[in-house]
Amino acid sequence: DAGVIQSPRHEVTEMGQEVTLRCKPISGHDYLFWYRQTMMRGLELLIYFNNNVPIDDSGMPEDRFSAKMPNASFSTLKIQPSEPRDSAVYFCASSADGRIVYGYTFGSGTRLTVV
Amino acid sequence: DQQVKQNSPSLSVQEGRISILNCDYTNSMFDYFLWYKKYPAEGPTFLISISSIKDKNEDGRFTVFLNKSAKHLSLHIVPSQPGDSAVYFCAASGWNNDMRFGAGTRLTVKP
Repeated sequence: DAGVIQSPRHEVTEMGQEVTLRCKPISGHDYLFWYRQTMMRGLELLIYFNNNVPIDDSGMPEDRFSAKMPNASFSTLKIQPSEPRDSAVYFCASSADGRIVYGYTFGSGTRLTVV
Repeated sequence: DQQVKQNSPSLSVQEGRISILNCDYTNSMFDYFLWYKKYPAEGPTFLISISSIKDKNEDGRFTVFLNKSAKHLSLHIVPSQPGDSAVYFCAASGWNNDMRFGAGTRLTVKP
């Protein structure tokens, strides 16, 4: 099993540009989570999906952020337009059956820098 | 709204001694608590968890203690090893499976 795969690993973009982060969850996992890590706030939950359906997007900072999960093996997090304060590491995680006892499996993250 | 708080951003201990990492939470609806470990340039990895019906869970050198009345949990690492040096995140979850994390504590174990 290759684990949760995120791409790209690093992204540098100019303010105002659109940014798309990608995630492939572990096959068979029916929960997918997007987190953002910053120095000040640690890991913040942005949105999560169950069976490709968004369940809670209350953590999405603004309308500039959107997330989709068109199928069980792929999800995207889009920021448009991007701003310097969006610079952070974005993590995707997945879990099976919401079995919290085993924790979530995280990807290696995408480090986003908006200049 | 930080529902899970780790008030110590860093901790330094000597190899072989005990490391104690602390975490407080505010939401009484949380019923599952976890600790994650994170190395640089990697995602967090699950370390140990505890259900709210227990007050202690042990796995090798790692023990998590839960004090529900104080809304406090801690992770004990005994004995600490240099390879334990990492950022440790406390996390909590309720019935809806979304997990809330603290800001993390950077542990440094000195040889």
